[in-house]
Amino acid sequence: DTAVSQTPKYLVTQMGNDKSIKCEQNLGHDTMYWYKQDSKKFLKIMFSYNNKELIINETVPNRFSPKSPDKAHLNLHINSLELGDSAVYFCASSPGPTGYNEQFFGPGTRLTVL
Amino acid sequence: GENVEQHPSTLSVQEGDSAVIKCTYSDSASNYFPWYKQELGKGPQLIIDIRSNVGEKKDQRIAVTLNKTAKHFSLHITETQPEDSAVYFCAALYALNFGKGTSLLVTP
Repeated sequence: DTAVSQTPKYLVTQMGNDKSIKCEQNLGHDTMYWYKQDSKKFLKIMFSYNNKELIINETVPNRFSPKSPDKAHLNLHINSLELGDSAVYFCASSPGPTGYNEQFFGPGTRLTVL
Repeated sequence: GENVEQHPSTLSVQEGDSAVIKCTYSDSASNYFPWYKQELGKGPQLIIDIRSNVGEKKDQRIAVTLNKTAKHFSLHITETQPEDSAVYFCAALYALNFGKGTSLLVTP
């Protein structure tokens, strides 16, 4: 029933590890996003995919690599985790490339790097 | 890039009072202005949006006004209720640039 789902909800790991977060949407949307929300609640766009193609890539370290196997999935892989990567990561989707479209957000994944 | 300024960062009101949150943006190409509400432990959820060809939009207790000349838009919540307590975000320029959020507290 869930529109945008993410797994896991919580992720605690050591510095230097590699981890992945998965996102799936069952809304039939063409566009998906990853956002990072820091401890001050600032929401910052990281990536956007439209029909499996990368259309937005903000200034994110290349340790972060998104992958979209199909329109309904957008996963985020993070290599060599650092303390500063600790944040809540939100996946979102919209019917088309943003501009006039509501974004539907997932419940978030809280990543804690120790 | 687009700069979206949101004020105030925190707002405390008594139940039944009105709350107003204002955002300003820098790029005149912005043409879609959504407002999202984020409850504790959840993802943001759209509560109202406005497009550049409209100056005001209402949905029950919530309204948004847009002044394209001055490049600002505001969220108005009337007859506030404790369940309105949350963090509110505005967004501009392709709805990807978010304001820094306003933490609204409605006290009974």
